[in-house]
Amino acid sequence: GQNIDQPTEMTATEGAIVQINCTYQTSGFNGLFWYQQHAGEAPTFLSYNVLDGLEEKGRFSSFLSRSKGYSYLLLKELQMKDSASYLCAVRDHQAGTALIFGKGTTLSVSS
Amino acid sequence: DSGVTQTPKHLITATGQRVTLRCSPRSGDLSVYWYQQSLDQGLQFLIQYYNGEERAKGNILERFSAQQFPDLHSELNLSSLELGDSALYFCASGESGANVLTFGAGSRLTVL
Repeated sequence: GQNIDQPTEMTATEGAIVQINCTYQTSGFNGLFWYQQHAGEAPTFLSYNVLDGLEEKGRFSSFLSRSKGYSYLLLKELQMKDSASYLCAVRDHQAGTALIFGKGTTLSVSS
Repeated sequence: DSGVTQTPKHLITATGQRVTLRCSPRSGDLSVYWYQQSLDQGLQFLIQYYNGEERAKGNILERFSAQQFPDLHSELNLSSLELGDSALYFCASGESGANVLTFGAGSRLTVL
């Protein structure tokens, strides 16, 4: 099976940098994903890592360490619209091409 | 608009009833995935279909079933509904071998 852990809630202020951590345990790791979800809306894709290292995409970056079963999502220059849930997900060979999601981290950005 | 279409957007029904949720994937996507999202459980994978065939199963209850039709749209059938089945049900689609899943806007089911 799979186990994915991430903090339940985080708070930050506009303009700041926040790092959301995710640890996972899976027997057939085949990629790690981050999605953003605003309340009541569909999750939208942010980033994908399958090899160790940092992937940068604008204000968002994602890091992966496969040996440690660890990833983080880094959000820079926070804006109020970044208030949302951030979902860490893994792809496991045992689940085919489906993504298995953690419970998500709710980020609140204040002015 | 993600290109994944789900109907209905909202559905209210009573315990013991049966409902059908419908999903049309993005043009060209052969895979359809169903997820259930409740407040306490997060986004739970239910089942995947690829080009009409069941490909993977997650935490899908025996009271739930799904199918994918030749035109690639999919339906999720929920029967003998219980209060605990109240949730957002998302459909996602993906290309063959692609990594990214694209989600529809969801169907919110309320069981009273």
